[in-house]
Amino acid sequence: NAGVTQTPKFQVLKTGQSMTLQCAQDMNHNSMYWYRQDPGMGLRLIYYSASEGTTDKGEVPNGYNVSRLNKREFSLRLESAAPSQTSVYFCASSFLGANYEQYFGPGTRLTVT
Amino acid sequence: SQQGEEDPQALSIQEGENATMNCSYKTSINNLQWYRQNSGRGLVHLILIRSNEREKHSGRLRVTLDTSKKSSSLLITASRAADTASYFCATYGSGNTGKLIFGQGTTLQVKP
Repeated sequence: NAGVTQTPKFQVLKTGQSMTLQCAQDMNHNSMYWYRQDPGMGLRLIYYSASEGTTDKGEVPNGYNVSRLNKREFSLRLESAAPSQTSVYFCASSFLGANYEQYFGPGTRLTVT
Repeated sequence: SQQGEEDPQALSIQEGENATMNCSYKTSINNLQWYRQNSGRGLVHLILIRSNEREKHSGRLRVTLDTSKKSSSLLITASRAADTASYFCATYGSGNTGKLIFGQGTTLQVKP
């Protein structure tokens, strides 16, 4: 099993450009998550999807949109990138419910100039 | 705002020594989890402790939870150079919120 995969691994954007980060999992998990990680800030939740067909805002949703395409895939879109969105983005997945751990992808390092 | 605060922010020890990291949180929880992140990689789950548990072990890891003080600690015994990483606590709220809230992490360096 590949686990959680993310594409691309690296991306450089100019301010105002748009892009979509892709995430897929092959563990039959119900829930999927997008986080961003900035130096000294830990992980902050952007959006999550508790189950197929639902999405909810996390702590820092402004400037982002998400799509739960099917049970396996959860994408994150930046419509108009800003330098403040320079970060490392992680996708994660888990089974639905409290007592399950999350499995993380390798991350996408995004720089907005 | 983040739920967990970790202490210390950075820790440097010699191989063979024990490493202790602490996590405090603010609201009631269903469980608390610890994750490890090696440089440039995604997070890896280490251990989950439920709110009705006080201590849990996994190999060289020992986690304690004190819900009255809203705090947890992670002890790594007999540290190895390969334990060098960042360690994060994460809390799952008691309201079945469907999400984890992560602390800012402790960076551990184990010198050979």
